[in-house]
Amino acid sequence: QQQVKQSPQSLIVQKGGIPIINCAYENTAFDYFPWYQQFPGKGPALLIAIRPDVSEKKEGRFTISFNKSAKQFSLHIMDSQPGDSATYFCAAGQNAGNMLTFGGGTRLMVKP
Amino acid sequence: DAGVTQSPTHLIKTRGQQVTLRCSPKSGHDTVSWYQQALGQGPQFIFQYYEEEERQRGNFPDRFSGHQFPNYSSELNVNALLLGDSALYLCASSLPGITDTQYFGPGTRLTVL
Repeated sequence: QQQVKQSPQSLIVQKGGIPIINCAYENTAFDYFPWYQQFPGKGPALLIAIRPDVSEKKEGRFTISFNKSAKQFSLHIMDSQPGDSATYFCAAGQNAGNMLTFGGGTRLMVKP
Repeated sequence: DAGVTQSPTHLIKTRGQQVTLRCSPKSGHDTVSWYQQALGQGPQFIFQYYEEEERQRGNFPDRFSGHQFPNYSSELNVNALLLGDSALYLCASSLPGITDTQYFGPGTRLTVL
């Protein structure tokens, strides 16, 4: 019930491409869905987050799409750059709760 | 505005020893959560502290304990270290009343030999 499944595990795109990372969850009590970016040796940095009252949220080159009925959400990175090469984690939480449940991560490489 | 800070950066211990990790939250944040991130995996929730008390705990044994001080900083203690405790330990802080929006520190890399 608490699991968040993330795919793919790794992704390689050319500069300018649009990598898409997908996550699925089971617990319908989740109502907060953040994405984190992590570089080697660093802590996760909050990238963008969505709550289920909207189906899409865009911040700069990053877009979250959310499908409540399918219990899925995804991250799209527009005009990807080599500097976007990092590991991306989706997570899920509850507004009234305290813990975040993370997916397994996607290692993204953007080739120049 | 300083972000979440953690100390030490790296730590090497042997099996059976005890370790204390420290965390200072972002300015204005009163809630601290601790996570364990094994190599190649997503972070796993250990526990959360608010008003100097443990508010919620993940699936971790009692060897893992914590403390929060009046200035909101926090410590994570691990007793009787096992090889499997080797991981990156992350601290995250959040604003009053918005505990799901968490900001992470750089982590402490613990190696148990």
